[in-house]
Amino acid sequence: GNSVTQMEGPVTLSEEAFLTINCTYTATGYPSLFWYVQYPGEGLQLLLKATKADDKGSNKGFEATYRKETTSFHLEKGSVQVSDSAVYFCALRAFSGGYNKLIFGAGTRLAVHP
Amino acid sequence: SQTIHQWPATLVQPVGSPLSLECTVEGTSNPNLYWYRQAAGRGLQLLFYSVGIGQISSEVPQNLSASRPQDRQFILSSKKLLLSDSGFYLCAWSVSGPLSYTQYFGPGTRLTVL
Repeated sequence: GNSVTQMEGPVTLSEEAFLTINCTYTATGYPSLFWYVQYPGEGLQLLLKATKADDKGSNKGFEATYRKETTSFHLEKGSVQVSDSAVYFCALRAFSGGYNKLIFGAGTRLAVHP
Repeated sequence: SQTIHQWPATLVQPVGSPLSLECTVEGTSNPNLYWYRQAAGRGLQLLFYSVGIGQISSEVPQNLSASRPQDRQFILSSKKLLLSDSGFYLCAWSVSGPLSYTQYFGPGTRLTVL
C-alpha cells in the first residue's frame, strides 16, 4: 500500500544551522510528493511539491528533490531561522477510486533556538 | 481568491455529548472536500472526503459521520463523543476532477473531550 515515513522529532537546531528532515515513501506508480508545514496553533500550509522524478520543489529557502531510485523526498534548508519552528509533514498523493487522496507522514517537529 | 473557514476554533465537550463542526469554502465551485484528524503527537488521518453534495466516503470506521448539505459546506458530526475523539480536526479542499492534486487546509478545530 501507500505510506510515508518521516524521521522522528523533535529536531532542535540553532539559528543559521543546516536542516535536513528525511522522508521516504512506498507507493505504486509515480506519486506526486509534498511538504506541508504547520505553525503553532494553525492549520497546514503547502510548502512545496514535486510531481515527477528528479523534480526539485522549492519555497522560502526550503528545497526537496524527488528521488525515485531511493524513494525519498528529503527536506533541506541551508540556514534556518527561529520563525521556521513548526511541524513539517511529508505527503504523497494517492490516486484511488478516481479521486486524489493525500497520505501523510507522522510529522517532524522543528525547534530553532536563537 | 479562495478561502476556507472552520468553526469553532476550539471546543471542550463532555463524553457522550453530540458534536457538530462546520467547514465552508469560498471562491470556488464544486470542490472536493476532506476531513482529517490529527491526534496529539501523531500525523494526519483522513476521515472523510466528498466529491459533491450528498456524496460522502469514509476512510475509517469510527464514531463520526460527515455530511455535505451544500456545495461548499462540509459538516463533521457525532451523536455521542468518546474520549478518543479528542484531537485537532482539519478541513481541506481541492479543485474537483482527477487532475487536481493540491489540498488547501483550514485553520482547524481543537476538540477536547473530557
